[in-house]
Amino acid sequence: AQKITQTQPGMFVQEKEAVTLDCTYDTSDPSYGLFWYKQPSSGEMIFLIYQGSYDQQNATEGRYSLNFQKARKSANLVISASQLGDSAMYFCAMRDPGANSKLTFGKGITLSVRP
Amino acid sequence: DTAVSQTPKYLVTQMGNDKSIKCEQNLGHDTMYWYKQDSKKFLKIMFSYNNKELIINETVPNRFSPKSPDKAHLNLHINSLELGDSAVYFCASSAPVGGGGYTFGSGTRLTVV
Repeated sequence: AQKITQTQPGMFVQEKEAVTLDCTYDTSDPSYGLFWYKQPSSGEMIFLIYQGSYDQQNATEGRYSLNFQKARKSANLVISASQLGDSAMYFCAMRDPGANSKLTFGKGITLSVRP
Repeated sequence: DTAVSQTPKYLVTQMGNDKSIKCEQNLGHDTMYWYKQDSKKFLKIMFSYNNKELIINETVPNRFSPKSPDKAHLNLHINSLELGDSAVYFCASSAPVGGGGYTFGSGTRLTVV
């Protein structure tokens, strides 16, 4: 069974600094996808970044990058130049192999950006 | 145009009532889902439909019944509501493979009193 682990308690970062949010995963399948979502206090789930298990390079999307360490089964999210609007809950998720598969989520990490 | 839209956004109801949440997507995706986010913010799959066919049915009380009249719509009906059903319910849809093709609705906050 797929498992996603996010163990950091609430994280704090100073505005304009970088922050890393940790995520480890467990799967026996060679084909999988890893996602990060942001959930601000308004409640919607916002897609941030995706990494496929066979992707050779780490994914990047603007200020977001994914530090993918396949052998260690980690997929940490790096947010550069933090902004006040980055304060939110962040979820790491894994997509089951195969088409039309569900996402399995970690329990999330709360990030607070200090001015 | 909202890609995945859910209605209502908020739902407050008494124990024992029956209620429905509606979801529609205009992305042309074949697969739709219902997720439940509990009070600790944990997100868990409830149901998944692919082109109107039920493909995932997690351990959910049978008071919850999804219905998909066509591949663009997935509704959730809940009978005999209980206090423990209070949560945020998210509808989502996905493309068959790849990254960004997994889109969530804005959620329905259900409060049972």
